[in-house]
This record gives sequence, structure tokens and C-alpha cells, in this order.
Amino acid sequence: GAVVSQHPSRVICKSGTSVKIECRSLDFQATTMFWYRQFPKQSLMLMATSNEGSKATYEQGVEKDKFLINHASLTLSTLTVTSAHPEDSSFYICSAPNPGTVRNEQFFGPGTRLTVL
Amino acid sequence: AQSVSQHNHHVILSEAASLELGCNYSYGGTVNLFWYVQYPGQHLQLLLKYFSGDPLVKGIKGFEAEFIKSKFSFNLRKPSVQWSDTAEYFCAVNTGDTGGFKTIFGAGTRLFVKA
Repeated sequence: GAVVSQHPSRVICKSGTSVKIECRSLDFQATTMFWYRQFPKQSLMLMATSNEGSKATYEQGVEKDKFLINHASLTLSTLTVTSAHPEDSSFYICSAPNPGTVRNEQFFGPGTRLTVL
Repeated sequence: AQSVSQHNHHVILSEAASLELGCNYSYGGTVNLFWYVQYPGQHLQLLLKYFSGDPLVKGIKGFEAEFIKSKFSFNLRKPSVQWSDTAEYFCAVNTGDTGGFKTIFGAGTRLFVKA
């Protein structure tokens, strides 16, 4: 089946630093990818839609200057958490719809656990 | 905007008991419906999905779900749960149209199965 990978799987950083998370579709091309955040014991909240070749679309309440998204190619989207603070500690998950499947079925990455000290 | 509501936040069952987790969505157009499971410390796994056709969908690990369009519901069922089914279950919806296929998740239901 289609695979979506994320790197790194875990990252610990100091407050004020920036962290980049990569999301790759390994065996299909994705013009769109989605970024979610999951706080402990909560559901996945959609943060933004990453669009290849154009600006990302952010959900209401998500700071676009803090969560920079770059869809560099048809298989790679990156999320950069800028000037991270402890409240940004969370589980970040990406997904990508596979155009080769029925109804563009989405495939989720394994997630990246970010801890900001 | 679409939304997903899961009625039960926490469910505790004994092994061999039957399970039904409620899920309702709000959206007037064509929807794709999903149930995902997240075991402790692990990432999301797809249990089952509904796109069209037979409204009774069978998934992995003995789970099934029924789409009732008139009730905007997609409830998850399992006739006999096991201790290993202890996990969090998420119902999810995407519109499957020009809305960009973004998926919206319910709040989740935490299931604990007593051995």
C-alpha cells in the first residue's frame, strides 16, 4: 500500500529554536498534503493544507508565521515550527491523498513527537 | 463546515462484551467516512472506510460499521471485544470533492477492555 513517511520521529529542542519536520509520500505524488497536531489525549486537529507550487492554506487560529509550510516537490512537504515554545510540544502528523486510489484515499504518516524544553 | 461528533468519550467493557461506538457527522454533500484506531504509544491505523455501495462495511480485526445516511451516522461495532482492543478510536470524515479532501476527526473514544 501507499506509504507516507515523516522525519524525524522524535525531536527535543530548546525554547526559541526552530524545528523542521519532513513529510514524504514514498510511492505516489501528492499535490496536496495535510498537517495535523494532536495534543496528549486529544483528537487530531487539522492545522493546514500544503499545496505544491502555491501557498499553504491555514485553518482558523493557526499562526502561519509560526508554522511555516513548504511543499517543495510532489513528494515532500515540510513543516517548520519557528521559535518553538513549550506549548508547541505535541504530536505532528501529516497525510497525503493518493490520486491513484478511489476517492483519493488519504495515507497518514507515523507522526513526529516534538518536545520543547 | 463539516464536523464530526463522537458520543462516548470513555468506554469500559469486559472481554467478550459487544461494542458500539457512535459517530455522527454534519455535512450535506458526498462524504467519505473512516474509523481509525490508535493503540497506546502508536500512530493511527485505518480500521475501515466507507466511500459508496453497501452501507455495512467490514474492516480489520473483526470491526464493522454501518452508514445510515438519513441519520448522518457511521457507528462502529464489534460483537466481542478483546483486551487487545484497548485503544482510542477516531471517526473521521472528508468531503471527497473539491473541498480538497481534508479529513476532519472526531474527538475520539477511549476504550478500555478489562481482561
